[in-house]
Amino acid sequence: DQQVKQNSPSLSVQEGRISILNCDYTNSMFDYFLWYKKYPAEGPTFLISISSIKDKNEDGRFTVFLNKSAKHLSLHIVPSQPGDSAVYFCAASAWPNYKLTFGKGTLLTVNP
Amino acid sequence: GAGVSQSPSNKVTEKGKDVELRCDPISGHTALYWYRQRLGQGLEFLIYFQGNSAPDKSGLPSDRFSAERTGESVSTLTIQRTQQEDSAVYLCASSLATSGGAEDTQYFGPGTRLTVL
Repeated sequence: DQQVKQNSPSLSVQEGRISILNCDYTNSMFDYFLWYKKYPAEGPTFLISISSIKDKNEDGRFTVFLNKSAKHLSLHIVPSQPGDSAVYFCAASAWPNYKLTFGKGTLLTVNP
Repeated sequence: GAGVSQSPSNKVTEKGKDVELRCDPISGHTALYWYRQRLGQGLEFLIYFQGNSAPDKSGLPSDRFSAERTGESVSTLTIQRTQQEDSAVYLCASSLATSGGAEDTQYFGPGTRLTVL
């Protein structure tokens, strides 16, 4: 069964607008959540993370929101830039936290 | 500094043959991970090495899969008697593991694309 779900395979936004990528999870033991970004032919690179004791974490243009009761998290990118075009993976872990469970990814395209 | 490197970048093999994939972690990283990504899927955890501790092999899909790591350096993932369903991108990651916890960021290599004909 898929414990981390990214239900939107793709998302297209205009440069300068907000991109919102969504992720749902089913395992209530998950206590740490991450977003990775992946360009073609490269490995995923860490973007931002959030612990389950928080509901928001911000880093520059990137903000992750966590709603534990809904088992939902989202990544907001504002303003979106063409260089943000990539596949975004949501990942989660439970103690001891080294084993990441990934979603299938969402392809974000930011149009100039 | 140098990132995680993997070789080969692409491997095409015939069903039933054995393959060996190599990972060079970032220097000084004590933890090393293998994941695989099948087409249209997310990354699946395979195995975790941390220093001299016994590895966590809980993600290996069958006994045809094995991995070794020498000290805190190179790791090899071996797949014996390959099957078509083994076709995937195999990704290696490493981390400092100073805390051993959630904030120990995993840095990924570019992966090896394995195609089993």
